[in-house]
Amino acid sequence: SAVISQKPSRDICQRGTSLTIQCQVDSQVTMMFWYRQQPGQSLTLIATANQGSEATYESGFVIDKFPISRPNLTFSTLTVSNMSPEDSSIYLCSVISGSTDTQYFGPGTRLTVL
Amino acid sequence: GENVEQHPSTLSVQEGDSAVIKCTYSDSASNYFPWYKQELGKRPQLIIDIRSNVGEKKDQRIAVTLNKTAKHFSLHITETQPEDSAVYFCSLNQAGTALIFGKGTTLSVSS
Repeated sequence: SAVISQKPSRDICQRGTSLTIQCQVDSQVTMMFWYRQQPGQSLTLIATANQGSEATYESGFVIDKFPISRPNLTFSTLTVSNMSPEDSSIYLCSVISGSTDTQYFGPGTRLTVL
Repeated sequence: GENVEQHPSTLSVQEGDSAVIKCTYSDSASNYFPWYKQELGKRPQLIIDIRSNVGEKKDQRIAVTLNKTAKHFSLHITETQPEDSAVYFCSLNQAGTALIFGKGTTLSVSS
């Protein structure tokens, strides 16, 4: 299975600021995704991070709010822009590795917006 | 888009009892159905999965069944132990797409 790391693991931010979360995988992966998990809730897909092109966003998520980069097959970033308290969540990077459909998750970034 | 209904939202059992969680879905094109366990403060971990060409799969105390005609799949945990206490999520996708998750079931196993 792929080994996934995320930075930072947690952060407390002020309203109106932006935070960039990094996701690093120890091997090349075919698919990378970003999810949000609000307190006590399930996982909601934000977008698919496409290598070398713009990310594909799910309904309710827009590029201006959640810009995503994926410069290569092992790395991606998610920025949470102009944050408000409603953005307080855990943000998880996820990958599909190899020829199986198995999807693995990073440890998550716990974001608190004051 | 695809919708996954998961029941129950909470489940409390005595140690040694069985636990069953059920999910229903709408898109007949879905062909991969994994279950994840998430302990408090941890990432979701894959515990078992099943593909559309299989009706049942078992791994020690955990089993998953799939009924493609009725569009539902279930997680069965036998001989539950306190360490089984966690939130369980069903999920599904089509090949190469992101997983869509159910709302989760909080399982509590009391000794």
